[in-house]
Amino acid sequence: GENVEQHPSTLSVQEGDSAVIKCTYSDSASNYFPWYKQELGKRPQLIIDIRSNVGEKKDQRIAVTLNKTAKHFSLHITETQPEDSAVYFCAASVYDYKLSFGAGTTVTVRA
Amino acid sequence: NAGVTQTPKFQVLKTGQSMTLQCAQDMNHNSMYWYRQDPGMGLRLIYYSASEGTTDKGEVPNGYNVSRLNKREFSLRLESAAPSQTSVYFCASSEGLAGHEQYFGPGTRLTVT
Repeated sequence: GENVEQHPSTLSVQEGDSAVIKCTYSDSASNYFPWYKQELGKRPQLIIDIRSNVGEKKDQRIAVTLNKTAKHFSLHITETQPEDSAVYFCAASVYDYKLSFGAGTTVTVRA
Repeated sequence: NAGVTQTPKFQVLKTGQSMTLQCAQDMNHNSMYWYRQDPGMGLRLIYYSASEGTTDKGEVPNGYNVSRLNKREFSLRLESAAPSQTSVYFCASSEGLAGHEQYFGPGTRLTVT
């Protein structure tokens, strides 16, 4: 099955700086790559996703890039704010229902 | 719209006891899922239901059973709880096939002593 590795496991950034989280996947047939954000004590929520026919997607301060050849994708958060502090999960899936999640990255934005 | 709801929010069981976690969604979604979340391990799929009347095993199905009661409801049963099943359990639903956003419930924190 699909194996998704996520790095780093923790990330501390100064408010206003950028944060980058990287994920690699094993199954070259994977074609859907969502990112979920989970605030402390809350449920995971989708923040952005990308499909394999697209190389980059942006939504305000967040962007995701995909490199199919290298089988990795990244989340970029610019101008970080305190409300960006959370755990972020990447995931990947092939043409079925099963999302495989990475282990998560705990992002802390320092004021 | 309540979205995805789960009951109970918290539960403490003794080893060997059984219980059922309930999940319901009001978004008319076809697909539903049960995940467990453990520190440092992300979200792992236990079982899923592609559509009403079907269920399939996920990554970690041992020790669990599920029932897709109707299109809205998907329950997870622990027949004989073990300490290794101490975790936070999330139910989720999505509109259809792969590539659709999954909406998560608020979670159930289960402790097995």
